[in-house]
Amino acid sequence: NAGVTQTPKFQVLKTGQSMTLQCAQDMNHEYMSWYRQDPGMGLRLIHYSVGAGITDQGEVPNGYNVSRSTTEDFPLRLLSAAPSQTSVYFCASSTSGSNNEQFFGPGTRLTVL
Amino acid sequence: GEDVEQSLFLSVREGDSSVINCTYTDSSSTYLYWYKQEPGAGLQLLTYIFSNMDMKQDQRLTVLLNKKDKHLSLRIADTQTGDSAIYFCAERGNNQGGKLIFGQGTELSVKP
Repeated sequence: NAGVTQTPKFQVLKTGQSMTLQCAQDMNHEYMSWYRQDPGMGLRLIHYSVGAGITDQGEVPNGYNVSRSTTEDFPLRLLSAAPSQTSVYFCASSTSGSNNEQFFGPGTRLTVL
Repeated sequence: GEDVEQSLFLSVREGDSSVINCTYTDSSSTYLYWYKQEPGAGLQLLTYIFSNMDMKQDQRLTVLLNKKDKHLSLRIADTQTGDSAIYFCAERGNNQGGKLIFGQGTELSVKP
């Protein structure tokens, strides 16, 4: 199993550009989520999905869109990048059972100029 | 709303014990977790404790939970330089799908 994979690892954007961060998992997990990590602020939940076709907002959803057309993939779209979106983005997946250990991807480091 | 708080830094000498503390506000928390993040990497689950327990031991790791005070701690015995990392406390409330709320992370520095 590859686990949770994310692409790209690094990305530099100009303000106003759009892009999609890819996330895929091969563990047949129902639950997937996107977090951003900023210094001194821990991980903040952007969007999450409890299964294919179902998504919901987390703590900091503004400026991001998600979709979940398959169980495996959960892309995160930045509609019009802003410098405030400079961050490290982590995708995670888990089963939706009782103790659902979340498995994290390696992260995408995004810089918006 | 739900909140999880940790101190940002901890420095210890190799061989000493490290204690990383965490407080949370959600009284309906079912599971509480400790994750470890090494430089440039994602998060890895270290250990977890169910809310009806007050202690869990796993080799060098001891988790203590004081549910009344909503206080969680992680003790690492015989701390090694390889334990240097950021440690995140997270709590899962009684919600669908297991959404986690993370603390800010505690950066543990182990000096030889």
